[in-house]
Amino acid sequence: EPEVTQTPSHQVTQMGQEVILRCVPISNHLYFYWYRQILGQKVEFLVSFYNNEISEKSEIFDDQFSVERPDGSNFTLKIRSTKLEDSAMYFCASSVGQGGGYGYTFGSGTRLTVV
Amino acid sequence: AQRVTQPEKLLSVFKGAPVELKCNYSYSGSPELFWYVQYSRQRLQLLLRHISRESIKGFTADLNKGETSFHLKKPFAQEEDSAMYYCALKGGTSGSRLTFGEGTQLTVNP
Repeated sequence: EPEVTQTPSHQVTQMGQEVILRCVPISNHLYFYWYRQILGQKVEFLVSFYNNEISEKSEIFDDQFSVERPDGSNFTLKIRSTKLEDSAMYFCASSVGQGGGYGYTFGSGTRLTVV
Repeated sequence: AQRVTQPEKLLSVFKGAPVELKCNYSYSGSPELFWYVQYSRQRLQLLLRHISRESIKGFTADLNKGETSFHLKKPFAQEEDSAMYYCALKGGTSGSRLTFGEGTQLTVNP
């Protein structure tokens, strides 16, 4: 079964540093997403991406976040200047379509720890 | 605004017993509802979506628009069903975002 792959599985960074989280979505999927889950809290939507541009973003996705699909296979989330409160599990997901009850395929997540 | 509520953070049953994980939602339009499962230290996996009315691993869920609920049920729980279960909603007018509930940790005891 095809999988969404995320690297690294765990990243520790110092406050104020930039981090890039990487994802390889399923090859025939067209929609890409980032979600995050702070420890003990619910999974929260960050951003969706389609046709090489952001299609929707949440209030959490402020100017310090950006996404990119640099080479047609990778999908990255960049956090420019990390804060302690950015510590969370970050999940990438992809889907074939957007409507009609399509479920998303999630990656196994990157645990980001900001110290 | 859309919202998903899973009132039980923890649910414990014995093997062979029926199980129901509750999910209520708030959304003014026609929602798309999903159940995701996360086994220990693994990724979120799609379990069910209401639009396909399927039964996966013995689980079913029916969308009740009158009660705004999408409860997950299984008549006979198995130990391997122990996992974290998330109810999620996608609203037609909110684009592609999934709104998740807080999750219910199901433990099936032998």
